[in-house]
Amino acid sequence: DAKTTQPNSMESNEEEPVHLPCNHSTISGTDYIHWYRQLPSQGPEYVIHGLTSNVNNRMASLAIAEDRKSSTLILHRATLRDAAVYYCILRGLRGGGADGLTFGKGTHLIIQP
Amino acid sequence: KAGVTQTPRYLIKTRGQQVTLSCSPISGHRSVSWYQQTPGQGLQFLFEYFSETQRNKGNFPGRFSGRQFSNSRSEMNVSTLELGDSALYLCASSSGTNPGELFFGEGSRLTVL
Repeated sequence: DAKTTQPNSMESNEEEPVHLPCNHSTISGTDYIHWYRQLPSQGPEYVIHGLTSNVNNRMASLAIAEDRKSSTLILHRATLRDAAVYYCILRGLRGGGADGLTFGKGTHLIIQP
Repeated sequence: KAGVTQTPRYLIKTRGQQVTLSCSPISGHRSVSWYQQTPGQGLQFLFEYFSETQRNKGNFPGRFSGRQFSNSRSEMNVSTLELGDSALYLCASSSGTNPGELFFGEGSRLTVL
């Protein structure tokens, strides 16, 4: 399975944008890039996913490099509730169904008030 | 729309016993997947069921098994429990039709003494 590399932790200030990087140099052509986050004592929560083009939703934006070997999750205006572990995951298609998610260590995002 | 429900939320077992965990997916979702989360190994994929059939399987021993019922509810079973099986077991549901988002439950925390 293609792996992802993320910084162990990042710190940002409240109400400022946050850019969370992810490297996935061995990504295959059919791998989707997914982001999930996990708040303390909760299950992971879906944030966003994309294949080739940049994506936006109400939670965040996903910027995908042209060669797809890296991507960046952008939180436009961080709040204290965004403090969580953020996972960048590659998810392919196999046998007509989706692969299970392979979670790495993720990035622990700390938001300072 | 009710979320993913996992029962029990907490349980304590002793080595050698077996345990069954239950997961009720979001109404209409046909795919249920299971994950194990430990501090040392992080989140690891166990298996995925779709329409009562196991569609994908992670790298866990045969002591870990699962099944899915016709109403999409799923159970996972761990036999001959070991201390290392102590973990948070997470269930996630999805429509199963494309690599879209997974909806996670809050998990079942198993402690093996």
